[in-house]
Amino acid sequence: GNSVTQMEGPVTLSEEAFLTINCTYTATGYPSLFWYVQYPGEGLQLLLKATKADDKGSNKGFEATYRKETTSFHLEKGSVQVSDSAVYFCALVLVSGGYNKLIFGAGTRLAVHP
Amino acid sequence: DAGVTQSPTHLIKTRGQQVTLRCSPKSGHDTVSWYQQALGQGPQFIFQYYEEEERQRGNFPDRFSGHQFPNYSSELNVNALLLGDSALYLCASSLVLAGGGDTQYFGPGTRLTVL
Repeated sequence: GNSVTQMEGPVTLSEEAFLTINCTYTATGYPSLFWYVQYPGEGLQLLLKATKADDKGSNKGFEATYRKETTSFHLEKGSVQVSDSAVYFCALVLVSGGYNKLIFGAGTRLAVHP
Repeated sequence: DAGVTQSPTHLIKTRGQQVTLRCSPKSGHDTVSWYQQALGQGPQFIFQYYEEEERQRGNFPDRFSGHQFPNYSSELNVNALLLGDSALYLCASSLVLAGGGDTQYFGPGTRLTVL
């Protein structure tokens, strides 16, 4: 079946540290891949996406590259800020005939300290 | 450009009651999906509506039902509430037939507490 596995949290970093959150997937077809972010008490916000192999999604200093050979989509940021503290979800979708169900990982909580 | 809106924000019910949650999609979107997010977990797909019909359904019992209206807004109904139905319910909208249909945009959610 289709699934997403994320590294367990929490991830605790100091401000300006480098961030990596690992994400791997299993899919029967060719999925699009996403990172969503959830701030405390809020819904999900789309952070970035990639729709095919070797695509790099980027937004707000975050980046992730679609690696088909390793079935991975790791999230990175060169210098985190306190405001980046949130839960990050990796997700995939297989679009077929108009159906686009998202499959999420369990989420990784990031805490950034000054 | 209005984003996805949901109502109510919070809801408290008792076991056995019924609840209706509402969602208005992002302007221009025609498809609505519902997800359940239990505390500390990732969202789980409940079902998806397009053209007022349920197109896909996740692994949820028939107590969970929905509806989509001609203006693309949607309702999620849950009957015979159980304690385990306590969760954040998220609505997401997308435009499936325009090529970018794989991107879903989420509302702020409705926090349901069942006592």
